[in-house]
Amino acid sequence: QLQLQESGPGLVRPSETLSLTCTVSGGSISSNTYYWGWIRQPPGKGLEWIGSMFYTGSSDYSPSLKSRVTISAETSKNQFSLRLTSVTAADTAVYSCASVRRDGSNQIDNWGQGILVTVSS
Amino acid sequence: DIQMTQSPSSLSASVGDRVTITCRASQSISRYLNWYQQKPGKAPKLLIYATSDLQTGVPSRFSGSGSGTDFTLTISGLQPEDFATYFCQQSYTTPVYTFGQGTKLEIK
Repeated sequence: QLQLQESGPGLVRPSETLSLTCTVSGGSISSNTYYWGWIRQPPGKGLEWIGSMFYTGSSDYSPSLKSRVTISAETSKNQFSLRLTSVTAADTAVYSCASVRRDGSNQIDNWGQGILVTVSS
Repeated sequence: DIQMTQSPSSLSASVGDRVTITCRASQSISRYLNWYQQKPGKAPKLLIYATSDLQTGVPSRFSGSGSGTDFTLTISGLQPEDFATYFCQQSYTTPVYTFGQGTKLEIK
């Protein structure tokens, strides 16, 4: 069973860059079976897909965030990361990393616990 | 973008009831529809994928149906642990997805 754990700062100042890391255990991010993605949930609101990557280095992002987002992998550490630039208060949310199965309905079958990131000065 | 609209946004029911939650896509997504359960402060949990396939370990009182643009999640015989928020997700436009806004299921 895959386990995913987010890490990174819980407070980011406006206009700065949000950087989070997801550490994967119980499996390899170099697996053909999964995409690796990030999702966020603003307090009291619904889920928003941010983007995902495949271990080969290809990535895809939500059109609404594409200009500010980068998702990349560090395969030697079995980790992947999220960078979101020029943040504002609207980026305050719980950020979760997740695994997406490529061999079914592209369902999200494992989620990290999530990390609350607050954008504030 | 494909928009996903869930209804109702909230629902009150009693233990033992049968409840149905609906998810509508703004265009056809074939059967690429997944359902998740989320409890307060917890990560979402996959319940059903590909419209009607039950994730391993999920009780059989959960079921899903639909195709194209209209989908339903049915819980037959509500249990106390089922009171939670439920989200649908389209995975047709892989690997960029969209979610419904959620349905909060509360105890009557």
